[in-house]
Amino acid sequence: DAKTTQPPSMDCAEGRAANLPCNHSTISGNEYVYWYRQIHSQGPQYIIHGLKNNETNEMASLIITEDRKSSTLILPHATLRDTAVYYCIVSFTGNQFYFGTGTSLTVIP
Amino acid sequence: NAGVTQTPKFQVLKTGQSMTLQCAQDMNHNSMYWYRQDPGMGLRLIYYSASEGTTDKGEVPNGYNVSRLNKREFSLRLESAAPSQTSVYFCASSEAVGTILYGYSNQPQHFGDGTRLSIL
Repeated sequence: DAKTTQPPSMDCAEGRAANLPCNHSTISGNEYVYWYRQIHSQGPQYIIHGLKNNETNEMASLIITEDRKSSTLILPHATLRDTAVYYCIVSFTGNQFYFGTGTSLTVIP
Repeated sequence: NAGVTQTPKFQVLKTGQSMTLQCAQDMNHNSMYWYRQDPGMGLRLIYYSASEGTTDKGEVPNGYNVSRLNKREFSLRLESAAPSQTSVYFCASSEAVGTILYGYSNQPQHFGDGTRLSIL
């Protein structure tokens, strides 16, 4: 499965949109992009996933570029509870997830 | 609906002792997984079970054995614990299988809260 590249840390003001980027330049045609987050060493929490089209759910939006080489997770109105490590994962089989070190997002009051 | 339940939550072992970590899910999922997470690092896959009766190695299987006891339960065993196995262990499950035999799927994995294991 393809590996991903994420910035190690980001800050976001409370109430503003948090935009977390992810590069996956070697992604293949059938690989999905998944986003998870981990709050304070709890178990990772699933956020959203997609293949080609942009996706939105109650937690976030996922924007995938047309060439699929990168994506952005958007938290529309960040709260203090969104402070966490965010992981971007690409996977074809859905079983072999490679987590990397993620982006540590700090939401600032 | 408890989701994925891991026991115990904390454990301290001495080098050479054996230990079984338990995991159960109540979502009727086919696939289950064991990961470890070392400080400052992401999760690494140890073993997974695409369906009842099957298991496969992940990225870091050495020093571990697994048993898929039934559809609900997937256990991880350390036969002779070593300090290098000090870690947080996470179990996960997903709805669909993901193997070339049973077909691939994009269903997400759902995680338990982890077992914090220290080996002295």
